[in-house]
Amino acid sequence: EAGVTQSPRYAVLQEGQAVSFWCDPISGHDTLYWYQQPRDQGPQLLVYFRDEAVIDNSQLPSDRFSAVRPKGTNSTLKIQSAKQGDTATYLCASSPPGAVFFGKGTRLTVV
Amino acid sequence: GEQVEQLPSILRVQERSSASINCTYENSASNYFPWYKQEPGENPKLIIDIRSNMERKQIQGLIVLLDKKAKRFSLHITDTQPADSAMYFCAASKSGGSNYKLTFGKGTLLTVTP
Repeated sequence: EAGVTQSPRYAVLQEGQAVSFWCDPISGHDTLYWYQQPRDQGPQLLVYFRDEAVIDNSQLPSDRFSAVRPKGTNSTLKIQSAKQGDTATYLCASSPPGAVFFGKGTRLTVV
Repeated sequence: GEQVEQLPSILRVQERSSASINCTYENSASNYFPWYKQEPGENPKLIIDIRSNMERKQIQGLIVLLDKKAKRFSLHITDTQPADSAMYFCAASKSGGSNYKLTFGKGTLLTVTP
């Protein structure tokens, strides 16, 4: 079974630039999550979806971050006007009933 | 919400000894407690989990204990090997169906020396 697939694996931006991350969850998983993992810290939830609906985006910095999952399958997380503090690995995860499975993430560096 | 504290942040043990990591949580409604192992550049991988209807679970050399009254859970790795060296994260969630809003601890860097 294919795991959670993310692209790109790495991104380097200057402050003020925009970037999009793409996630393909495990087939059949109706719930999809985006987490931010700063270096040497645990993942922190940004937003999660059940099918195409946002269930919780309370931790998503709404002025610069946005996330969509229009058909309830793939998802895109976008950062407008990146800041150095956004430097982190962005992990996508998906779940059926039972457990949460993570992709390998996109490692973002903002210089 | 939920907050999870994880200790120790760094743990160094000798091969074939045991390693223990402890976590506490705040929300008494949390009912699902997974443990993830993360190696450098890799995704967090689920290694064992426990639900609130259990107090103990073992998968081979991994043991998880849950004390709901104390809001505390722990991972014990028996007979450690150098391949067990990695970051370990605990998490807690009030789960339902396929919704798992996981709150993670800050992680424990385990090093197993030969």
